[in-house]
Amino acid sequence: DAGVTQSPTHLIKTRGQQVTLRCSPKSGHDTVSWYQQALGQGPQFIFQYYEEEERQRGNFPDRFSGHQFPNYSSELNVNALLLGDSALYLCASSSPFNYEQYFGPGTRLTVT
Amino acid sequence: QKEVEQNSGPLSVPEGAIASLNCTYSDRGSQSFFWYRQYSGKSPELIMFIYSNGDKEDGRFTAQLNKASQYVSLLIRDSQPSDSATYLCAVRSLGSNYQLIWGAGTKLIIKP
Repeated sequence: DAGVTQSPTHLIKTRGQQVTLRCSPKSGHDTVSWYQQALGQGPQFIFQYYEEEERQRGNFPDRFSGHQFPNYSSELNVNALLLGDSALYLCASSSPFNYEQYFGPGTRLTVT
Repeated sequence: QKEVEQNSGPLSVPEGAIASLNCTYSDRGSQSFFWYRQYSGKSPELIMFIYSNGDKEDGRFTAQLNKASQYVSLLIRDSQPSDSATYLCAVRSLGSNYQLIWGAGTKLIIKP
């Protein structure tokens, strides 16, 4: 049973550039949530996708956008990168019948 | 502002002893409670969840929920050096819709 997968593992970008991160949910899961985690802090909720629509959004600017595909995989896009966007980006999937979220390995984004 | 509070630690416990981790939350409407373990540089791993008042045991782990006092705790019996990690508490409430509210985590160190 494949768990949650994310790509790429690491990424280095320059300020002002755009980045796309990808996530495939655990088998049987149809809901994908994205989080940003800075060093020494808990995950911060970015948004959640269900049935190809953004179901809820945290306190992140419009530079952060996403998409969910018919196969439930998801992308997180960040435009006009800032130094402060450097963080671990986590994807978590869940099923419609319970609330437990399972995380992928994360993508470490460094903005220089 | 709905909040989840954890002592940042580090909490140092001798090998073989019981480690006790605590989490308090502000939203009385909270319904689902989760404990995640996060090793340095890795993503969070779900280890326990609890929905009802009382204790829930899974191997060496016991989650305790007291909704009247608005706290949830995690006990780790027979602590092992491999239990050394940051433990994150997450809470879901009707007020937060589908969003998990996260604590900043408690760093646990098990001393051999």
